[in-house]
Amino acid sequence: SYELTQPPSVSVSPGQTARITCSGDALPKQYGCWYQQKPGQAPVLVIYKDSERPSGIPERFSGSSSGTTVTLTISGVQAEDEADYYCHSADSSATSWVFGGGTKLTVL
Amino acid sequence: QVTLRESGPALVRPTQTLTLTCSFSGFSLITSGMCVTWIRQPPGKALEWLALIDWDDDKYYSASLKTRLTISKDISKNQVVFTMTNMDPVDTATYYCARFTKGGGLDAFDIWGQGTMVTVSS
Repeated sequence: SYELTQPPSVSVSPGQTARITCSGDALPKQYGCWYQQKPGQAPVLVIYKDSERPSGIPERFSGSSSGTTVTLTISGVQAEDEADYYCHSADSSATSWVFGGGTKLTVL
Repeated sequence: QVTLRESGPALVRPTQTLTLTCSFSGFSLITSGMCVTWIRQPPGKALEWLALIDWDDDKYYSASLKTRLTISKDISKNQVVFTMTNMDPVDTATYYCARFTKGGGLDAFDIWGQGTMVTVSS
């Protein structure tokens, strides 16, 4: 079955830039999305179509895509950004959807 | 304003069938591009996509679980019903429904329900 691979954890100090990667064979063909999930809450969409930001999401959140990897970048990380982040995409036929294993972002 | 809300039992016995309902408002499932999906998350673990139904009544299921899953919609009630048969303790999780827009939309799960915790135990 199709898989997306993320690092389990990323740590940054406040004000620094955090980058979280997600790799999958179908990513050159399918869009990647990113979700932020804080403890006890439902996930929130922060990036769609590789690099688009929904209304209400701070500008410090950005996304990019290159080959089989999509990247979520958080510039000027704030304490409130500490959360789990999940990437998501479809398989090459767009008949099945998958999440990455999640990355825990720790703000030191 | 788009909202979704899950409802169903909090406790299910092993081997029983789980039935969950997603009640939504603010959009119509007969509008082109609109879909509703089910996703689950075991305690402390990652999100797992389960099933999706679209505006054209096409249905898609996780390959690893498809023999146990059914998704359907009731347009008149603005509801999507999800069933999972032969429940096992490993199916204990928070179950979410979410909206998905495709074919020119966001191609993302843009609005989520709050989730409903389902425990499988005898």
